[in-house]
Amino acid sequence: DIQMTQSPSSLSASVGDRVTITCRASQSISSSLNWYQQKSGKAPKLLIYASSSFRSGVPSRFSGSGSGTDFTLTISSLQPEDFATYYCQQSYSNSWTFGPGTNVEIK
Amino acid sequence: QVQLQQSGPGLVKPSQTLSLTCAISGDSVSSNSAAWDWIRQSPSRGLEWLGRTYYRSKWYNNYAVSVKSRISIKPDTSKNQFSLQLNSVTPEDTAVYYCARDQYSSIDYWGQGTLVTVSS
Repeated sequence: DIQMTQSPSSLSASVGDRVTITCRASQSISSSLNWYQQKSGKAPKLLIYASSSFRSGVPSRFSGSGSGTDFTLTISSLQPEDFATYYCQQSYSNSWTFGPGTNVEIK
Repeated sequence: QVQLQQSGPGLVKPSQTLSLTCAISGDSVSSNSAAWDWIRQSPSRGLEWLGRTYYRSKWYNNYAVSVKSRISIKPDTSKNQFSLQLNSVTPEDTAVYYCARDQYSSIDYWGQGTLVTVSS
């Protein structure tokens, strides 16, 4: 299986801050990388697919980039509703895997 | 709008079979562009993709290596739903189980989640 790592595992930030989360794959996955947001007690929600494509309805403050093994999710100006856990997920192989998550907390 | 409604028991005894069903509305289990997945989440294992079923002129399955010997995901076209069976469960299989749709290599719709506890 392709292993996914994320950093940091958690971060504290204030409303209005720019936040960057990194995801790394154990082998090249081209641009086959998705980002999800999960709030407590809810199912994850797709934010970004294919590394940098927005899902319809996702605010433009979210952006994704990267290819190969290194990827980033950026929130340009953190809003109160963005405090959540963020997961990356590779869809390159037939056996999909998720990163361990990054918890974004209020500072 | 796609909706996925999960059903099944929340408690399973060790060594028995975990069975869950996911009813689909707003799409078809026989869609030629979607696949139908099961994913679970636990504090110890995080989010773990388990497998999928999909139709591309015939039915296919993909399964995670970690559960490949114990898992079966099957479509039911008469009821527009799909199911998960996981055999020989242990307490390590305790998790919230989600059904989901994947299309264009990402998971765009999720079920509500079912907490399944494996305990005697």
